[in-house]
Amino acid sequence: SQTIHQWPATLVQPVGSPLSLECTVEGTSNPNLYWYRQAAGRGLQLLFYSVGIGQISSEVPQNLSASRPQDRQFILSSKKLLLSDSGFYLCAWSDVTENQPQHFGDGTRLSIL
Amino acid sequence: KQEVTQIPAALSVPEGENLVLNCSFTDSAIYNLQWFRQDPGKGLTSLLLIQSSQREQTSGRLNASLDKSSGRSTLYIAASQPGDSATYLCAVRSAGANNLFFGTGTRLTVIP
Repeated sequence: SQTIHQWPATLVQPVGSPLSLECTVEGTSNPNLYWYRQAAGRGLQLLFYSVGIGQISSEVPQNLSASRPQDRQFILSSKKLLLSDSGFYLCAWSDVTENQPQHFGDGTRLSIL
Repeated sequence: KQEVTQIPAALSVPEGENLVLNCSFTDSAIYNLQWFRQDPGKGLTSLLLIQSSQREQTSGRLNASLDKSSGRSTLYIAASQPGDSATYLCAVRSAGANNLFFGTGTRLTVIP
C-alpha cells in the first residue's frame, strides 16, 4: 500500500532563517505531488505541484520554492523565512491516472518567531 | 477561479443524530469532488471521492452526493458518534486543473 511521510512534524524558526521540509511517498511510481499551506482561519492553498522529476509548477508568488530531486521526493524550501510563512504545510500525492483522489501527509506546523 | 464554500462553519449535534454538511462551488466544470476529515493538528484523511459523472458515493455511515449543475455537494453522516468530531473539508478539482480548491471546512462536534 502507498504511504506518504512528512517531516518534521513541528518546526520553530527565526525570521530570516532557511527552511527545508521534506515529503516522500512509498508504494507508487511517478505520482503527482503537491504542497499546500493551511493558514489559520483559511482554506488550504496550493503552493506547488509536480508531475515528474524536475517539473515544478507554482500557483502563487511567494517566498518559497519547491524541488523534486527524485521520483517520490518533494522538498519545500526557503532561503529567508518571513513571519507570513507561518502555517501548516501539507504534502499530498495522487496517482498519475486521471481523476484519482489526493492523499495527504500528516503535515508540518511551522512557526516563525 | 473556482470558489468553494462550506456552511455552517461549525455544528454541534447530540450523539446518534443524522446530519448533513453542505458544500457549494461556483464553477460546475469539475473533474471530481473530494470530502476529507481533519482532526486537530493533523493531516487530511480522504473520505469519499465523487467523479463528475456520478451522483453519489457511500462508505459505511457516510454518503456524499453531487449535483454538478447547481454546484452543490452534501455529506450525510448517519448515526453520529463522538469519534466523528473533526473538521470536514470539501475540495473540488476543476476541469483543466491539477490541484484541489478547498472550502474552509465545517467543524463538527458530536456530544456524547
